[in-house]
Amino acid sequence: QSVLTQPPSASGTPGQGVALSCSGSTSNIGSNYVFWYQQLPGTAPKLLISKNNQRPSGVPDRFSGSKSGTSASLAISGLRSEDEADYFCAAWDDSVRGVLFGGGTKLTVL
Amino acid sequence: QIQLVESGGGLVQPGMSLRLSCVASGFTFSDYAMHWVRQTPGKGLEWVAGISYDDSNKYYADSVKGRFTISRDSSKNTLDLHLSGLRPEDTAVYYCGKVLQPYYITLIDDWGQGTLVTVSS
Repeated sequence: QSVLTQPPSASGTPGQGVALSCSGSTSNIGSNYVFWYQQLPGTAPKLLISKNNQRPSGVPDRFSGSKSGTSASLAISGLRSEDEADYFCAAWDDSVRGVLFGGGTKLTVL
Repeated sequence: QIQLVESGGGLVQPGMSLRLSCVASGFTFSDYAMHWVRQTPGKGLEWVAGISYDDSNKYYADSVKGRFTISRDSSKNTLDLHLSGLRPEDTAVYYCGKVLQPYYITLIDDWGQGTLVTVSS
């Protein structure tokens, strides 16, 4: 059971925007950075957002991250078919002294 | 460019041991903390273990504490994970990952391609 909570699924149509949520607690999201990863079928995860809202080079600006208190959100604007993937949030947890991942959200582009 | 190449996976019987390795290139390995993360087929990601850049601190998930050991050899740019007392629930693809910035134990920015461990009799 993941300590970071993500909805298992989300969907949108091409061109639409969608927001994926990630909920934690004071020992993880509340006091540490949130990272977001995208995993396409059959591939390794790829860093999408670091330190709550930083986009690595090469990640389109359609992807943006935010954090408020013990929750974080990944927003995707202008959905494209290639955005269909699993999205995972992650954060360091000071209580367990380790990394926690959310259970992941499977995004379907209808 | 940064490359992380895992090896050592395979089919192993319950209770047996296995050693996974990750060879790193394209960055100063000795400056970065590293992690192992696993993924059960069709399921989510589970952090397994992490090690500081200077080998002074090691961190483990409760599910593997006392059974798995993470280590690094900065002279060979390799990260290892020794798995012992393997259980069927340890079956997963194991990824190694480099953290985002030097000297800190933070989260992964670069991932290897993974190596599959199957625990079954």
